[in-house]
Amino acid sequence: RKEVEQDPGPFNVPEGATVAFNCTYSNSASQSFFWYRQDCRKEPKLLMSVYSSGNEDGRFTAQLNRASQYISLLIRDSKLSDSATYLCVVNGTGNQFYFGTGTSLTVIP
Amino acid sequence: DTGVSQDPRHKITKRGQNVTFRCDPISEHNRLYWYRQTLGQGPEFLTYFQNEAQLEKSRLLSDRFSAERPKGSFSTLEIQRTEQGDSAMYLCASSSGHIRKETERQYTFGSGTRLTVV
Repeated sequence: RKEVEQDPGPFNVPEGATVAFNCTYSNSASQSFFWYRQDCRKEPKLLMSVYSSGNEDGRFTAQLNRASQYISLLIRDSKLSDSATYLCVVNGTGNQFYFGTGTSLTVIP
Repeated sequence: DTGVSQDPRHKITKRGQNVTFRCDPISEHNRLYWYRQTLGQGPEFLTYFQNEAQLEKSRLLSDRFSAERPKGSFSTLEIQRTEQGDSAMYLCASSSGHIRKETERQYTFGSGTRLTVV
């Protein structure tokens, strides 16, 4: 079983739509969770950390469910500029972090 | 210091040749990571340094791969006798080990070195 699993998509949504991505992780001892955004042929960039109580940053909301071992990302009022691949990141044992394969989002005008 | 720098951005090499990549992390970051990313996949962990000590290595890091961080600042990743399967984006990331709160220990990635082995 992979450490982190994501639905690769693609998700194609119209501008203004709300879209949600889920990600499951296998290590119940994981403590750090992040969502990264990666544009085509670019490096991943931190979108937001995910806190136990859930957190919001503008149109983006991240949630963590430890019991079910999944994290989610909700994007409201999608913009064309949100089109990218969204990577779920979870820490493992030691100092390494595990990345999901990414979920591709395309926002359509 | 505006971020993590990697050099070169692109490298095309013939199978069997050796290649070396360089990463300059954010200056105050003592932790440095190498990842490899192939098309359609997320980054895969290769190795991790804290200062000059290489503390973790993935099983992905075969004996053809070697990484160094001699002075605890920049790092190099060398691939010997390259194979076509080595074609990938090699990403370097750094983070600060001085941040105690685990959830705040974020990575900053460099732009990567795209390797093509022909």
